[in-house]
Amino acid sequence: GAGVSQTPSNKVTEKGKYVELRCDPISGHTALYWYRQSLGQGPEFLIYFQGTGAADDSGLPNDRFFAVRPEGSVSTLKIQRTERGDSAVYLCASSLTGAGGLVNEQYFGPGTRLTVT
Amino acid sequence: AQKITQTQPGMFVQEKEAVTLDCTYDTSDQSYGLFWYKQPSSGEMIFLIYQGSYDEQNATEGRYSLNFQKARKSANLVISASQLGDSAMYFCAIGGSYIPTFGRGTSLIVHP
Repeated sequence: GAGVSQTPSNKVTEKGKYVELRCDPISGHTALYWYRQSLGQGPEFLIYFQGTGAADDSGLPNDRFFAVRPEGSVSTLKIQRTERGDSAVYLCASSLTGAGGLVNEQYFGPGTRLTVT
Repeated sequence: AQKITQTQPGMFVQEKEAVTLDCTYDTSDQSYGLFWYKQPSSGEMIFLIYQGSYDEQNATEGRYSLNFQKARKSANLVISASQLGDSAMYFCAIGGSYIPTFGRGTSLIVHP
């Protein structure tokens, strides 16, 4: 079946602009995660959705970052007033909900490479 | 709080040999899972193997096995019979309640 897709694959924007990054998870996966990955680092957790609600947004670096998942499927990560330090690869992953709320194996999308100039 | 430590920034192995990638962890959760992911140069993260904290047997998936030593808080990945296509970044991750934490990764290069 279809995997996790992310659009766009690359986004170049000017400092101060607004961007939206989209994630389309695997059908039936109720859990959805957003990560940020900088060069030479592992994925850094940003936000976790269980269904339509943000179950944990403790990884969002500041209030310029916001994410939604209005129908429990597609999710959009929104970044306002972008800064050069926001440049990174943004990864989305989905999974079935683990037993007892535990993290389950995740399926990742190809990522969106964001460059803020 | 959770933490993953991968102390090997780079590893080299000859094709067809076995290699062990180290991972140690720390967590305050009683129940948790340990994961290994592969990230080739193309960038997409690929799930390899999972070990639950209460699993008594070490997990195996084909050429991958996880050497889980709970008392030492280690979850090393063993790749047997290395192939050229195994060259990639490898990330260890821990997931307790909801939130996964990843290590910084180990770069594996397989020589012909």
